Parts: sequence; C-alpha cells; structure tokens
Amino acid sequence: GAGVSQTPSNKVTEKGKYVELRCDPISGHTALYWYRQSLGQGPEFLIYFQGTGAADDSGLPNDRFFAVRPEGSVSTLKIQRTERGDSAVYLCASSRQGAGEQYFGPGTRLTVT
Amino acid sequence: TQLLEQSPQFLSIQEGENLTVYCNSSSVFSSLQWYRQEPGEGPVLLVTVVTGGEVKKLKRLTFQFGDARKDSSLHITAAQPGDTGLYLCAVLGRSGTYKYIFGTGTRLKVLA
Repeated sequence: GAGVSQTPSNKVTEKGKYVELRCDPISGHTALYWYRQSLGQGPEFLIYFQGTGAADDSGLPNDRFFAVRPEGSVSTLKIQRTERGDSAVYLCASSRQGAGEQYFGPGTRLTVT
Repeated sequence: TQLLEQSPQFLSIQEGENLTVYCNSSSVFSSLQWYRQEPGEGPVLLVTVVTGGEVKKLKRLTFQFGDARKDSSLHITAAQPGDTGLYLCAVLGRSGTYKYIFGTGTRLKVLA
C-alpha cells in the first residue's frame, strides 16, 4: 500500500514569506507527527496529532509555526514570516496509534533565502 | 545538552569490517528504538528494545539495551555498502506523552 507522502519535495522561498507543507499519512493511521531535521542532526519533534487534535505541540519553536489536521487525515504545517533559520528538512510520520511504529515520509526540504 | 548522545558521529569503514555504534543517556527509558535513514528518505525503524539487557538480532545487526536501560549499542558484522546511512536512536519523552526524542545520529559509510 501507499506510504506517507509529503508535498512539495523541495520548497525555496524568500525570507518573510508564508509557506505550507503537506503530509498525507497512511490510511487509517490516527497518529501523525511533524519533525524538523537540520543538516547533520537527528529529527527534532515539532507536534503530534491524535485524530484531529494536537495532543502535544510543545516542539513548535514559536508562534510563526502552526499545524492543522482538520479531518484527521491530511495535515498541513504552516510557517509564517519565514526566516533563514527555518531552512531544514521537515519530516512527517504516521502510526496506527500513539507510541506505535512510526512510518516516515521522504520529507520536504525547505530553503529560505 | 542532548538527551541522547550517539557515538561516533562519523564512521567510514571497508566492506567486511565489523563496527559498533552507541547511544548513551543519563536518563532511564522504558524502551529505545533504532532507525536507519538514507539520503533523501525518512528514517526507517529497525528495532525496538524494551527490557534491560535485551539483545535483538536483525540479520547482521545486533542491538543491545543496557542493563539499566540508559544506553544501547548497535553492532554490525561484516558491513556491506548497503549498510551505509545515518543510524539514529530514539526514545519516548516523559511518560504520558508521545513525543519522540532522537539522538544526534551516527553517519556510517561502508566502502566497497
């Protein structure tokens, strides 16, 4: 079956612009995670959804970052007023339930110029 | 300071050699996961260890969870070029959350 997909695969934007990153989880997976991975580092937790609600958003770095999952499936990570320091690979993962095996997408590489 | 420290950061070896990478912490965990990540892809789960002292084998990979559940090791026997990648350990945050914390990673390159 289809795995986790993320679009776009690459996004280049100018400093100060708004971006949206999309994640399509595996069908039937209720848990969805967003991570950010900088070059040479491990993934850094951003937010976790259980169904439609954000169960833990403690990893969002500031109020420029926001994520939604309105129907409990597709999720969108939104970044306002992008900064060069936001440049990273943004990974999405889904699992059948919280603490279950996570399946990761290929990521979106965001570059802020 | 990182909750999970991995060592070495980088490792370049010849095909056929053995190697061990480590994941260390001062905290105790209920379980620990190992992932491998290839360029342009997301991490893929290799194994989850849950019991202190537990040893799990996956073909040429042997995973061990420390007796005190604070550390873990991954040993690869007769490394192959296909083993090349970023090896990450990960744990769940404090009890009651599903916030996974990843280590700093070990980047392995196996030369043919």
